[in-house]
Amino acid sequence: DAGITQSPRHKVTETGTPVTLRCHQTENHRYMYWYRQDPGHGLRLIHYSYGVKDTDKGEVSDGYSVSRSKTEDFLLTLESATSSQTSVYFCAISADRATYEQYFGPGTRLTVT
Amino acid sequence: SQQGEEDPQALSIQEGENATMNCSYKTSINNLQWYRQNSGRGLVHLILIRSNEREKHSGRLRVTLDTSKKSSSLLITASRAADTASYFCATDIQGAQKLVFGQGTRLTINP
Repeated sequence: DAGITQSPRHKVTETGTPVTLRCHQTENHRYMYWYRQDPGHGLRLIHYSYGVKDTDKGEVSDGYSVSRSKTEDFLLTLESATSSQTSVYFCAISADRATYEQYFGPGTRLTVT
Repeated sequence: SQQGEEDPQALSIQEGENATMNCSYKTSINNLQWYRQNSGRGLVHLILIRSNEREKHSGRLRVTLDTSKKSSSLLITASRAADTASYFCATDIQGAQKLVFGQGTRLTINP
């Protein structure tokens, strides 16, 4: 597996609380991505980063923010978690500017009660 | 709506048979990629085909691309129980630094 980890791996939180998920890579890849995966919706892009402090929105960015202050870390924050944000979250990295071929982390299962 | 859409959504076959999954997309691409996801795990890259290629092989995998029809197919030959997984196609979007994934095909190989 590529050197990519996610923490925590599982989290249960209450509606209205802030939550931060961390993606950490040891590959020095330029691009990092956050996806959510839900039954019937496949994999949907939340936010992505194309360099330190350079981020952009994906197709489902409402309610989420990200930060990347170091090459190796990409943080996803739910400012005020809602039940609709219960999902499995995947981080991915890429170094290839031609193809954006991605390597995925193991995922974080988040439950908002 | 999704850029890439797989068909069928689910496929169940006997071990040893061939499995074919299809992917359609909407806009022009530079490349199309296929990924596999085992239950509860992250996606793993399988194979990439560029827009100027028509067919590509990797072991028991064969991918075709028809840019005129905006479609691709993934063929897994001589399937094994270990091939049980979900398979996703992903396309780049010209000018954007990201991929768009389809909803996936869930493949079950019965022993």
